[in-house]
Amino acid sequence: DADVTQTPRNRITKTGKRIMLECSQTKGHDRMYWYRQDPGLGLRLIYYSFDVKDINKGEISDGYSVSRQAQAKFSLSLESAIPNQTALYFCATSVRGQETQYFGPGTRLLVL
Amino acid sequence: QKEVEQNSGPLSVPEGAIASLNCTYSDRGSQSFFWYRQYSGKSPELIMSIYSNGDKEDGRFTAQLNKASQYVSLLIRDSQPSDSATYLCAVYRSNTGKLIFGQGTTLQVKP
Repeated sequence: DADVTQTPRNRITKTGKRIMLECSQTKGHDRMYWYRQDPGLGLRLIYYSFDVKDINKGEISDGYSVSRQAQAKFSLSLESAIPNQTALYFCATSVRGQETQYFGPGTRLLVL
Repeated sequence: QKEVEQNSGPLSVPEGAIASLNCTYSDRGSQSFFWYRQYSGKSPELIMSIYSNGDKEDGRFTAQLNKASQYVSLLIRDSQPSDSATYLCAVYRSNTGKLIFGQGTTLQVKP
């Protein structure tokens, strides 16, 4: 299902580097989310956006920033990557009034 | 106490058996509940949603909700090896518009 796409799918970077993960969707959904997943910790919310002008911090936003360039695009940046940001990152979307979230394929990030 | 709790497992069942996955939540005002399945290295996919007390059946899957006891469960009948995955319970918080996920239960179905 290519309705929610994430780029890159895999990324290796070094400590201190700035990197950007991108998410695009063709579902027409107004709400977008960024999660990270670590073994045994489930999905943790980093940032979420209910529309282009609405950006909110999640439970683990420190060290991350986001940009909602358009309704269909939501980017996550790591300003200065550190090894404990090594994780699997997922973008998700939903529609106002419907709680179901739909996930992108994920980006596997390794910070050396 | 975590807001949504699941036993991380692994839960191991033989092929053809019923797998029972459980989830408890702390916010008594929660109204919407979801089960996602996640294969290793893949993204979560929605398999069931439930909003009212009782059972909801979809094929081999049955979701059960008991708001008084604050638990939601997922039963998988006639378990198949292809059901081997991690199952994530999620609870929707209407006051924030966020889904809160449990840490997931790993299910292993052995042939």
